[in-house]
Amino acid sequence: AQSVTQLDSQVPVFEEAPVELRCNYSSSVSVYLFWYVQYPNQGLQLLLKYLSGSTLVKGINGFEAEFNKSQTSFHLRKPSVHISDTAEYFCAVETSGSRLTFGEGTQLTVNP
Amino acid sequence: DTAVSQTPKYLVTQMGNDKSIKCEQNLGHDTMYWYKQDSKKFLKIMFSYNNKELIINETVPNRFSPKSPDKAHLNLHINSLELGDSAVYFCASRNLVRGYGYTFGSGTRLTVV
Repeated sequence: AQSVTQLDSQVPVFEEAPVELRCNYSSSVSVYLFWYVQYPNQGLQLLLKYLSGSTLVKGINGFEAEFNKSQTSFHLRKPSVHISDTAEYFCAVETSGSRLTFGEGTQLTVNP
Repeated sequence: DTAVSQTPKYLVTQMGNDKSIKCEQNLGHDTMYWYKQDSKKFLKIMFSYNNKELIINETVPNRFSPKSPDKAHLNLHINSLELGDSAVYFCASRNLVRGYGYTFGSGTRLTVV
């Protein structure tokens, strides 16, 4: 069975600072990986996904993530965050094709 | 033109009542899901339908019953509501193709008092 671990439950940063949200997965088969963002009182929105090919994936709102197969990681990064990036971020993995398994989420808080 | 719409957005009800949450998607997707998000933001899958057929039925109380009249609709009926059912319930849809991400609705916040 696959699982997803988000290593930080909360990440506070100052505006315009860089940020990395960490995600590790465990699976014995090939995986597809996703990052979703949830703004307060809203549903989840797809930020980016890794299916195959280049290990550096670019998404919306200036976010990118790097797939590292040897370390089974898929960390999300942004070089300069804005107040509006404050949200809950979820890493997710798909292996069986019928469902996504989500991590427990990381609350990113951007302070002025 | 909301892609996945859920109604109602908020639902406050007393213990023991029966309630339904409706979900509709206009994306032409063939698969729909219900997820429960608890107070710690953890997302747990409950059910999934593919072309009106139940394909995922996780361990949830049998007071919860999904119904899919067609592939664009997936409703969730809950009998004899309990305090522990308070949560945000999300509907999602996708095409059942590997690597195809979900599109989520905006959620229904259920509060049982």
